Amino acid sequence: NAGVTQTPKFQVLKTGQSMTLQCAQDMNHEYMSWYRQDPGMGLRLIHYSVGAGITDQGEVPNGYNVSRSTTEDFPLRLLSAAPSQTSVYFCASSYSRTVGISDGYTFGSGTRLTVV
Amino acid sequence: GQQLNQSPQSMFIQEGEDVSMNCTSSSIFNTWLWYKQEPGEGPVLLIALYKAGELTSNGRLTAQFGITRKDSFLNISASIPSDVGIYFCAGQRGSEKLVFGKGTKLTVNP
Repeated sequence: NAGVTQTPKFQVLKTGQSMTLQCAQDMNHEYMSWYRQDPGMGLRLIHYSVGAGITDQGEVPNGYNVSRSTTEDFPLRLLSAAPSQTSVYFCASSYSRTVGISDGYTFGSGTRLTVV
Repeated sequence: GQQLNQSPQSMFIQEGEDVSMNCTSSSIFNTWLWYKQEPGEGPVLLIALYKAGELTSNGRLTAQFGITRKDSFLNISASIPSDVGIYFCAGQRGSEKLVFGKGTKLTVNP
């Protein structure tokens, strides 16, 4: 099993460009989520999905869009990149949003994004 | 919103020493998790705690779910160089958002 796969691993964008960060999991997990990690800020939730066709906002959703057309894939779209979106992005998945019944979230290895 | 205070922020220790770190919250949690993140990788789950007072081990790692349900502790015994990384605590109440601490960066000198 590959677990959670994120692509690309690294990306440099110019301000105003758009792009999609890919996330795929092969564990048949219903719950998927996107986090950003910034120095001294820990992991902050951007968007999440409890199943195909269902998405919701996290604590820092502005500037990002998501969709969940299949159980396996949960892409994150940057609509118009800004330097403030320079960060490391992690996708995580689980059987359930409730970790007590799902043995925690499985994380991908991250996408390091730089916006210049 | 809910916040976790994780301490210390960083630790520099000699190989063979024991390590302790903790997380405290103003809110009660039902579940506590401890993750480790190595450079260039995503966090990996080390230990999950589901009941107040629970003490769980994973090799040289031992974690405890505080009796008040507002704190958790992680101990690493006899540290080795591969213990280097950032350790995160995370807590959840019911099906609410999983809240992460800001991490403890561990450096082990051989």
